[in-house]
Amino acid sequence: AQTVTQSQPEMSVQEAETVTLSCTYDTSESDYYLFWYKQPPSRQMILVIRQEAYKQQNATENRFSVNFQKAAKSFSLKISDSQLGDAAMYFCAYRSGMNRDDKIIFGKGTRLHILP
Amino acid sequence: KAGVTQTPRYLIKTRGQQVTLSCSPISGHRSVSWYQQTPGQGLQFLFEYFSETQRNKGNFPGRFSGRQFSNSRSEMNVSTLELGDSALYLCASSPGQGRTTEAFFGQGTRLTVV
Repeated sequence: AQTVTQSQPEMSVQEAETVTLSCTYDTSESDYYLFWYKQPPSRQMILVIRQEAYKQQNATENRFSVNFQKAAKSFSLKISDSQLGDAAMYFCAYRSGMNRDDKIIFGKGTRLHILP
Repeated sequence: KAGVTQTPRYLIKTRGQQVTLSCSPISGHRSVSWYQQTPGQGLQFLFEYFSETQRNKGNFPGRFSGRQFSNSRSEMNVSTLELGDSALYLCASSPGQGRTTEAFFGQGTRLTVV
């Protein structure tokens, strides 16, 4: 069975600084997708960034980028120029590319605080 | 395009009662997944429906059930509620086919069992 581990329950970063959230996963599959979701106090889960396992290039979305290390099964999220609106729970997530269903496996989350 | 709509947003029930939660996916999406979110267990997959058929089911007791209608709207039902069923229930919608992977979430239903 696949698992996703986020070892940092909470993190803090100064506004305008850079922060990296860690995530490791375990799978025996070769085809899969990885995601970072953000959940602000409003509870709405928002997709931040996604990475296809077959792509070697790390995904980037504006201030958000990932460091995808397939062999190490590591998928960290870097947030540059942190803003107050980035404060939220961040979930690392895994979806199989080999199954027909859309089941997503989530890590326990990292609560990110932005210090003004 | 309207997002994923979950109703109701908040619900308070008594132990032993049953509850039905509703989820309307994004227009054109045929897959609906349900997740339970609690502080202790995090986000756990309940089940997924595609074209009115359950495609996958998580490790939850039979008190948790769901269904999907021909218009892709989905309901989940919890019977004989227990205090431990208090949680945020999230619904996710996706096209359900092909390599499109993004799932869109609703704002959830906060269920409190007293």
